[in-house]
Amino acid sequence: EPEVTQTPSHQVTQMGQEVILRCVPISNHLYFYWYRQILGQKVEFLVSFYNNEISEKSEIFDDQFSVERPDGSNFTLKIRSTKLEDSAMYFCASRGMYEQYFGPGTRLTVT
Amino acid sequence: LAKTTQPISMDSYEGQEVNITCSHNNIATNDYITWYQQFPSQGPRFIIQGYKTKVTNEVASLFIPADRKSSTLSLPRVSLSDTAVYYCLVVLSGAGSYQLTFGKGTKLSVIP
Repeated sequence: EPEVTQTPSHQVTQMGQEVILRCVPISNHLYFYWYRQILGQKVEFLVSFYNNEISEKSEIFDDQFSVERPDGSNFTLKIRSTKLEDSAMYFCASRGMYEQYFGPGTRLTVT
Repeated sequence: LAKTTQPISMDSYEGQEVNITCSHNNIATNDYITWYQQFPSQGPRFIIQGYKTKVTNEVASLFIPADRKSSTLSLPRVSLSDTAVYYCLVVLSGAGSYQLTFGKGTKLSVIP
């Protein structure tokens, strides 16, 4: 069964540093998403991406965040200057006919 | 988007059928009801989606009454591996991008 993959599985970074989280969506999907989940809290929508541009974004997705599809397979989330409160699990998802398929997540720890 | 309400937690013994009910009083005509499952430190996983009446797949059944203001996810004969958080979501299906709005979900604990 095709799956969404994400790298790295765990990223530790210092406050103020830039991080790039990577995702490989399912190959024939057209809509891509990033969500995050702070430990013990709800899964929160960050951004959706279609046809090489952002289609929706939440209030969380401020100027420190950006997304890119640099080639035909990868989908990245960049955080320019990380803050302590960015520590969370970040999930990438891609959409099939009806449902979104989530990746295993990247645990980001900002120290 | 319609708000959903579901129990915070449930316990069940192995082998029993589990029914998790979700209320969504303000569901709109074009909304579908979708359930996801999440294990600790993993991404949510789609279980089932329906619009009305009953939908069944190899994992679960979804019962939706005629007024669609609630729905019930039914898991037959649960095992320890079904211990997870179950989310009820209302989504606008069809063409176009849509975000999923997760609540706190129902934490199901299966007891041996």
